[in-house]
Amino acid sequence: DAGVIQSPRHEVTEMGQEVTLRCKPISGHDYLFWYRQTMMRGLELLIYFNNNVPIDDSGMPEDRFSAKMPNASFSTLKIQPSEPRDSAVYFCASSPGGGATDTQYFGPGTRLTVL
Amino acid sequence: QQQVKQSPQSLIVQKGGISIINCAYENTAFDYFPWYQQFPGKGPALLIAIRPDVSEKKEGRFTISFNKSAKQFSLHIMDSQPGDSATYFCAASSSLSGGYNKLIFGAGTRLAVHP
Repeated sequence: DAGVIQSPRHEVTEMGQEVTLRCKPISGHDYLFWYRQTMMRGLELLIYFNNNVPIDDSGMPEDRFSAKMPNASFSTLKIQPSEPRDSAVYFCASSPGGGATDTQYFGPGTRLTVL
Repeated sequence: QQQVKQSPQSLIVQKGGISIINCAYENTAFDYFPWYQQFPGKGPALLIAIRPDVSEKKEGRFTISFNKSAKQFSLHIMDSQPGDSATYFCAASSSLSGGYNKLIFGAGTRLAVHP
């Protein structure tokens, strides 16, 4: 398996623009997670899906952030409008289940820079 | 109660030495403690994990020591190698939370192993 695939790997945009990050989870994994990593706040869980349904979006910082999972093999994280403080590395991860020993497999991340 | 505190923030070790990273937690409901390893430009990957019913788990050169009464756990890397240079995250989760076991990550430790 190719692992979790994220695109783009790097994104540079200007404040106010819409940004869409994409993720393809590992086939057969029922859970999908979006994380944000910054120096100040470390790794933060933004939202997670179970069987394509959003379960917990309490980590989404503002209404400017939205996430969708239209099918089992694709998810998007959208920021509209983007702000400089959104600059971070965004990771998508998937796991086969929600149990404590179900490993989360992370993608390579998307480095977002908002100017 | 949800926080996992990790130290040190950075660590420099000579090749062949022992690297030790420490984590502490407050929430006694945590019952799964994984360590993730992250290389530059990559996503975190599960390295080793422990449940609180054992005090130590060893996999190759990597060992987790767990002290339930002190609510602390640590990662020991024996015979550290330059290839171990990475950022290490401790994490914790609770199966009592129901549904998905949300991982709470520590802030990370940047390890540099000098040849």
